[in-house]
Amino acid sequence: GQNIDQPTEMTATEGAIVQINCTYQTSGFNGLFWYQQHAGEAPTFLSYNVLDGLEEKGRFSSFLSRSKGYSYLLLKELQMKDSASYLCAPMDSNYQLIWGAGTKLIIKP
Amino acid sequence: NAGVTQTPKFRVLKTGQSMTLLCAQDMNHEYMYWYRQDPGMGLRLIHYSVGEGTTAKGEVPDGYNVSRLKKQTFLLGLESAAPSQTSVYFCASSGIAGGPETQYFGPGTRLLVL
Repeated sequence: GQNIDQPTEMTATEGAIVQINCTYQTSGFNGLFWYQQHAGEAPTFLSYNVLDGLEEKGRFSSFLSRSKGYSYLLLKELQMKDSASYLCAPMDSNYQLIWGAGTKLIIKP
Repeated sequence: NAGVTQTPKFRVLKTGQSMTLLCAQDMNHEYMYWYRQDPGMGLRLIHYSVGEGTTAKGEVPDGYNVSRLKKQTFLLGLESAAPSQTSVYFCASSGIAGGPETQYFGPGTRLLVL
């Protein structure tokens, strides 16, 4: 079957760095997306990885290891506005996104 | 350029009532999707469309119907609402049929079925 596993909740301090891990099992693989979702709002696109390695985009970076079925999202210089849920979503062989339940990130001053 | 819009934003229904949720996009996207999101669970795909006039079932299609009469709009219908359909419904669209395109989401419709 298809399965996504990411921590339910994480807490970090403003200005620090946090890594949100995601492990997945899918029927086929066509890349992995990370989305951010603030409470009461729609998910918004953060990153897409299809090849192994690290993709950096400003304060956010995303890593993929296809052989391990593993990805992480790295957030640097945390700001209060980064408090949100982060959704890991690999794309299967039918180009359908398989969504994890998300990791709620709480930023403390 | 409004992106993806949804109406209504919030609705309360009684068990057995029907309603239609409207999604519209102005990005000329081929693919459109309807998801539901419940607490503690990931987004679950209800139905999707790969182009005007086509629809397909997703992971949780029972109790819902859809139509894609125009490329820009995708309707989700509940014929006889049940309390289990209380949820937040998101519409999304993406550009390239059959490719790893980013999905863009509407603001959501919060539905409460009593």
